[in-house]
Amino acid sequence: GENVEQHPSTLSVQEGDSAVIKCTYSDSASNYFPWYKQELGKGPQLIIDIRSNVGEKKDQRIAVTLNKTAKHFSLHITETQPEDSAVYFCAPRGNYQLIWGAGTKLIIKP
Amino acid sequence: NAGVTQTPKFRVLKTGQSMTLLCAQDMNHEYMYWYRQDPGMGLRLIHYSVGEGTTAKGEVPDGYNVSRLKKQNFLLGLESAAPSQTSVYFCASSSLRSPGREQYFGPGTRLTVT
Repeated sequence: GENVEQHPSTLSVQEGDSAVIKCTYSDSASNYFPWYKQELGKGPQLIIDIRSNVGEKKDQRIAVTLNKTAKHFSLHITETQPEDSAVYFCAPRGNYQLIWGAGTKLIIKP
Repeated sequence: NAGVTQTPKFRVLKTGQSMTLLCAQDMNHEYMYWYRQDPGMGLRLIHYSVGEGTTAKGEVPDGYNVSRLKKQNFLLGLESAAPSQTSVYFCASSSLRSPGREQYFGPGTRLTVT
């Protein structure tokens, strides 16, 4: 079946530094690659996504890069702030459904 | 605009009891989903619906049933609860017109089965 792996599972960075989370997927037919952010006690919320005909997309401090040949895509957060502390999920779409990674807990140290 | 709402927020059941979780959305979305989230794991799809009157099985459907009698509501039923169904349940909805099918989530229901 389809397999999605996220690394690292926990990431601790100093406030103001950058954070990078990588997602690897197995389904070569995947054509949509979103990242969701889940704050404590809430449901996930889409923060950025990319489609397979684009290599990179930026939205202020966050960006997503896609390498379809290698089947991985990454979330980049620059100038991290305390409100970036959350669990981040990649969820590439395979076979019409999103397949969720296990999540990365991002900790921003003051 | 309330978005996606879920009731109840918390519930404790004894093994063998039944219950229904209600999800409602006011965004006129065609698609609705039920997920479960367990510690250290991503979301796993239980059942989903692509429109009123239709439902389909997801990754982990056993022990659950669903119904979508109205477009805005999606019900998840547990007929005979088991401790393995202790989890946080999320409902989500998405629009047919959204190119990426962005999913909008409810706040979750924390279910404990003793």
